[in-house]
Amino acid sequence: GESVGLHLPTLSVQEGDNSIINCAYSNSASDYFIWYKQESGKGPQFIIDIRSNMDKRQGQRVTVLLNKTVKHLSLQIAATQPGDSAVYFCAESGTGGFKTIFGAGTRLFVKA
Amino acid sequence: SQTIHQWPATLVQPVGSPLSLECTVEGTSNPNLYWYRQAAGRGLQLLFYSVGIGQISSEVPQNLSASRPQDRQFILSSKKLLLSDSGFYLCAWSRGNEKLFFGSGTQLSVL
Repeated sequence: GESVGLHLPTLSVQEGDNSIINCAYSNSASDYFIWYKQESGKGPQFIIDIRSNMDKRQGQRVTVLLNKTVKHLSLQIAATQPGDSAVYFCAESGTGGFKTIFGAGTRLFVKA
Repeated sequence: SQTIHQWPATLVQPVGSPLSLECTVEGTSNPNLYWYRQAAGRGLQLLFYSVGIGQISSEVPQNLSASRPQDRQFILSSKKLLLSDSGFYLCAWSRGNEKLFFGSGTQLSVL
């Protein structure tokens, strides 16, 4: 079935550096992708989304890149801060109706 | 603005006991509603979703059930809890097939 997976389970970066979190998806019919941030003991929070008719979208300090050819999604965080430490999930939606399928997550550690 | 309420925050239940987790949404009408479960250090597993009152779709055969008695109320239940039901349960809502807004979660420990 559909799956959304992440390349790295843990990422450690220095404060002020840029972070890149990667994600692969398997369903070529997927048309909507979302990144969520989850802090310990809390529910995930929406960060940014992108539809399949785009290949890049920017927010405040975050950029999502979509490569449909290789079914790859990435989240770039500029000037990473200690408050960015969390687990980041990519998720796929749009296939099969109303289901959002989550990947395993990447834990981001920011070193001061 | 829209808000989602989920309770309780923490729950410890013995094996074989019943379960009822409640979730309500304010500030929107006819939301899609979802129950997810998250094992420690893992991703989110979709359990149930609902696109309207009385309409429940189950994603994983298991010891749990869901109900939507009102437009903005979603309930997760079990008649007899198993040890494997332990986890972090998250309720969420969305407008159509859009991004999800999550509640604060319920940490369930079945002992």
